[in-house]
Amino acid sequence: DVKVTQSSRYLVKRTGEKVFLECVQDMDHENMFWYRQDPGLGLRLIYFSYDVKMKEKGDIPEGYSVSREKKERFSLILESASTNQTSMYLCASSLSGLMNTEAFFGQGTRLTVV
Amino acid sequence: DAKTTQPNSMESNEEEPVHLPCNHSTISGTDYIHWYRQLPSQGPEYVIHGLTSNVNNRMASLAIAEDRKSSTLILHRATLRDAAVYYCILRDSQGGSEKLVFGKGTKLTVNP
Repeated sequence: DVKVTQSSRYLVKRTGEKVFLECVQDMDHENMFWYRQDPGLGLRLIYFSYDVKMKEKGDIPEGYSVSREKKERFSLILESASTNQTSMYLCASSLSGLMNTEAFFGQGTRLTVV
Repeated sequence: DAKTTQPNSMESNEEEPVHLPCNHSTISGTDYIHWYRQLPSQGPEYVIHGLTSNVNNRMASLAIAEDRKSSTLILHRATLRDAAVYYCILRDSQGGSEKLVFGKGTKLTVNP
């Protein structure tokens, strides 16, 4: 039973393209997160959304924007893709206000920018 | 966010217990200690969490020091399928941002 779904497992885009990474969760979670993962650097938070149309910057927001128009969907946007944005991107969701509950992750999207 | 410190890597033999340490000396009284693991080519998955008392579930046990400045994830009998990166993180239950921030984790290698 899939709970967090990322629209693509693999993507190849050209430098300068506008790229949309989509994430959908079916658990009615308020919180949603976007991370990127690179070898040796662990998981780094790009953006966090705690409600529809609400967002907070994470540790590495530069070059990215996000959209949360509906509770279940959180989109990561690369306005003009660059080769240094080649990475694994992971989406997650969690309930709000309950720090004793778990977060659920998608399977990841491996993006290559050429 | 309160920070955690973990060893970069650890090795274990199959069917032996594994103790994965985590230091969190700046933990506040309202921080929950969470552990996640990431198997190769997968997204992270929840393992266990605790606040003050030791916790057990079907996957692992969590031992929390009395002063809460450190904790240990215990895999009672490691299997090859436990080879993963294990992350220790803190989640504050008292207001503030609910951002979920990970470090680099500990890469566990399990030898047959």
